[in-house]
Amino acid sequence: DVKVTQSSRYLVKRTGEKVFLECVQDMDHENMFWYRQDPGLGLRLIYFSYDVKMKEKGDIPEGYSVSREKKERFSLILESASTNQTSMYLCASSFGGRGYGYTFGSGTRLTVV
Amino acid sequence: AQKVTQAQTEISVVEKEDVTLDCVYETRDTTYYLFWYKQPPSGELVFLIRRNSFDEQNEISGRYSWNFQKSTSSFNFTITASQVVDSAVYFCALNPNYGGATNKLIFGTGTLLAVQP
Repeated sequence: DVKVTQSSRYLVKRTGEKVFLECVQDMDHENMFWYRQDPGLGLRLIYFSYDVKMKEKGDIPEGYSVSREKKERFSLILESASTNQTSMYLCASSFGGRGYGYTFGSGTRLTVV
Repeated sequence: AQKVTQAQTEISVVEKEDVTLDCVYETRDTTYYLFWYKQPPSGELVFLIRRNSFDEQNEISGRYSWNFQKSTSSFNFTITASQVVDSAVYFCALNPNYGGATNKLIFGTGTLLAVQP
């Protein structure tokens, strides 16, 4: 069964901590994405990657960075967590080229206190 | 502008009622793709359908049907005889032409559907 796996379902971190959210896919997908989901705002793209070591900013990259050292793994990094980064984080992957649907992970609900 | 609007924030129906979720999109491109995803309480978005801009034929899959109308830039989703298991957040998404190899999707804000027993 193909899937996208996010390392944590729930996470609680303190303000100022460096936070790593991990995402692994087993479908040999070229593209990987990080979104955050907030009530009333839908899904907002933080960063995406279309190849190993390649990354591009999405709509809301401030306060985040990413790493893709291997094709199957895409990490989201909160350099110094803040309370306004409390959110649901969703990872997704897809084949390259247009028109492919995404496969999503189950999400990580991050609370920054 | 490339945009997806789901004006219905929340819809509540009683089981067995029919319900339509609206999706209106904006794009300057002549070729594009449209998607619907379902997000149940478990959190994982599940792919429901993909439609390309050249195919305006409506589609039916069991109790689900989709009405794509380019003239009104709409891609509406109807659930017939709703069931409690249909309760979820539903997202409409647009993949415009500029995406290239990166395949970026633009999502609407979602519609929360609550089906009461």
